[in-house]
Amino acid sequence: AQTVTQSQPEMSVQEAETVTLSCTYDTSENNYYLFWYKQPPSRQMILVIRQEAYKQQNATENRFSVNFQKAAKSFSLKISDSQLGDTAMYFCAFMKHAQIGNEKLTFGTGTRLTIIP
Amino acid sequence: DSGVTQTPKHLITATGQRVTLRCSPRSGDLSVYWYQQSLDQGLQFLIQYYNGEERAKGNILERFSAQQFPDLHSELNLSSLELGDSALYFCASSPPRGLAGAADTQYFGPGTRLTVL
Repeated sequence: AQTVTQSQPEMSVQEAETVTLSCTYDTSENNYYLFWYKQPPSRQMILVIRQEAYKQQNATENRFSVNFQKAAKSFSLKISDSQLGDTAMYFCAFMKHAQIGNEKLTFGTGTRLTIIP
Repeated sequence: DSGVTQTPKHLITATGQRVTLRCSPRSGDLSVYWYQQSLDQGLQFLIQYYNGEERAKGNILERFSAQQFPDLHSELNLSSLELGDSALYFCASSPPRGLAGAADTQYFGPGTRLTVL
């Protein structure tokens, strides 16, 4: 079974600063995917970024980037130039690769990020 | 807007009752997943359907059941409700393998907030 650990329950940062959210996972799988989802106060789950384990290059999406360390089983999210709209709960999630269809997501417990004006 | 719809948005009912939550996946998506988000259990996978067939089960109670219909919409049935069933229930969908840029990613609906009194 896979486990995902987010060791920072809460974080806060000043607007326009950079913040890094940590995530570690445990798996015996070699082929899998990692995700960061954002859940703002509206409670909607919004995909922020995804990473395929077989790709060595770290994924980036505008102000969001990851530091994927496969050997260390670490998957951190960096938010640059943070904005008030980034205030949300952030979940790290793991999904193993499947031959047919897709697999379930295993989530961490989340990090509540507050951007301070 | 992810393209996944869920109805109703809110549901308030009493213990012992039965409710049905409905989900329509994104156009073209064959997989539907149900997740429960509660304060004490976090985000947990309940069940997955792929093109009408049950594919995987998570920590789903025997009082809960689901199905996916020929038009690919899904329903989650919760019966003999208890106070502890109060939670946010998410449906997510993902496309069949082979669609570039979208494979292995789950898109979440807005959720149904269930309150059991």
